[in-house]
Amino acid sequence: KQEVTQIPAALSVPEGENLVLNCSFTDSAIYNLQWFRQDPGKGLTSLLLIQSSQREQTSGRLNASLDKSSGRSTLYIAASQPGDSATYLCAVNGGATNKLIFGTGTLLAVQP
Amino acid sequence: EAGVAQSPRYKIIEKRQSVAFWCNPISGHATLYWYQQILGQGPKLLIQFQNNGVVDDSQLPKDRFSAERLKGVDSTLKIQPAKLEDSAVYLCASSLTGTVYTYEQYFGPGTRLTVT
Repeated sequence: KQEVTQIPAALSVPEGENLVLNCSFTDSAIYNLQWFRQDPGKGLTSLLLIQSSQREQTSGRLNASLDKSSGRSTLYIAASQPGDSATYLCAVNGGATNKLIFGTGTLLAVQP
Repeated sequence: EAGVAQSPRYKIIEKRQSVAFWCNPISGHATLYWYQQILGQGPKLLIQFQNNGVVDDSQLPKDRFSAERLKGVDSTLKIQPAKLEDSAVYLCASSLTGTVYTYEQYFGPGTRLTVT
């Protein structure tokens, strides 16, 4: 059974700092991995999707990497801003039905 | 392009009452998903539809939860009777298809349910 873990559960950093969020999964047989952002009271916004054949994806100040063999992914946020404050969720897609298994998230607070 | 629409956004009910949530997916998306997100946890898939057929409902508490997707577009999720532990955010998502595994899921704003 696939299990997804995110560390740390919460993180507080000063504005401008670079930071890394971690995601690990127990079954390396995945099709893709997705990083989402969730603002309080809102739905999920997709940030990056990495296919199993890829090593990383970049969008603006965000860079996500994937190491399938070790069951790990990281989300790197460069030059953090207060507007980056949110909960970040990773999810793995491990089946032919496109089902997503989510981690519990990392609550990020960027202090001005 | 319009996103996934959900209503209501908030609902408060007493235990043992019934409640229904509505979802309208992105136009042309064949696959629709309902997720339950309990406070402090990641979303958990309750049920997945491909057009109007059920693909996966293995984690749906079928004694109290039901869902339908008539005509393969809109969907309704119902809880009857509600329990305190059903308090959560119910998220609807859609994708172009669910039988090709690389398709991205797009999420609606969710319905926050509080059972008292």
